[in-house]
Amino acid sequence: AQSVTQPDIHITVSEGASLELRCNYSYGATPYLFWYVQSPGQGLQLLLKYFSGDTLVQGIKGFEAEFKRSQSSFNLRKPSVHWSDAAEYFCAVGALDGSARQLTFGSGTQLTVLP
Amino acid sequence: AAGVIQSPRHLIKEKRETATLKCYPIPRHDTVYWYQQGPGQDPQFLISFYEKMQSDKGSIPDRFSAQQFSDYHSELNMSSLELGDSALYFCASSLVRAGETQYFGPGTRLLVL
Repeated sequence: AQSVTQPDIHITVSEGASLELRCNYSYGATPYLFWYVQSPGQGLQLLLKYFSGDTLVQGIKGFEAEFKRSQSSFNLRKPSVHWSDAAEYFCAVGALDGSARQLTFGSGTQLTVLP
Repeated sequence: AAGVIQSPRHLIKEKRETATLKCYPIPRHDTVYWYQQGPGQDPQFLISFYEKMQSDKGSIPDRFSAQQFSDYHSELNMSSLELGDSALYFCASSLVRAGETQYFGPGTRLLVL
């Protein structure tokens, strides 16, 4: 079964600082990886995804993530955080075999941005 | 661009009542997924439908059922509601041949009193 670990429950950064949110996955084959962001009381917005190819993927809002197979990681990065980035971030893994199309989410990382 | 629509956005029910949540996928998407997110929890997969047939089943209680209709909208029916069913219920849709990226709706917040 697939699983996702987000080791950091809560991260606080100052506005303008760089950001890295960690995500480790467990899956037997090549995973399909996603980062979603959720603002309070809101739905899940897709930031970026990795299916195959270039291991560095660009997303919306200036976010990027790098797939590292050797480390089973898919960390999310942003060079300069904006106050509007404060939200909860979920890493998710999916698959395309017939029995596992659903997404498995990590427990989320809550990001606080200080002025 | 059109997004996933869920209704109602908020719902208050009492224990042992029933609730029906509706989901309208992005036009031309053929797959619908339901997730449950409890307070402070990550979303948990409940069930999915592809071309109106159930495709995967997760941790969905027997008290819940769902279906996808000919117009591809889906309904999640919840009976004998319990306090623990209070959660945010998300619907997501995808198009299989486009890589199956799931796009989520805004969710229905269900409160069981």
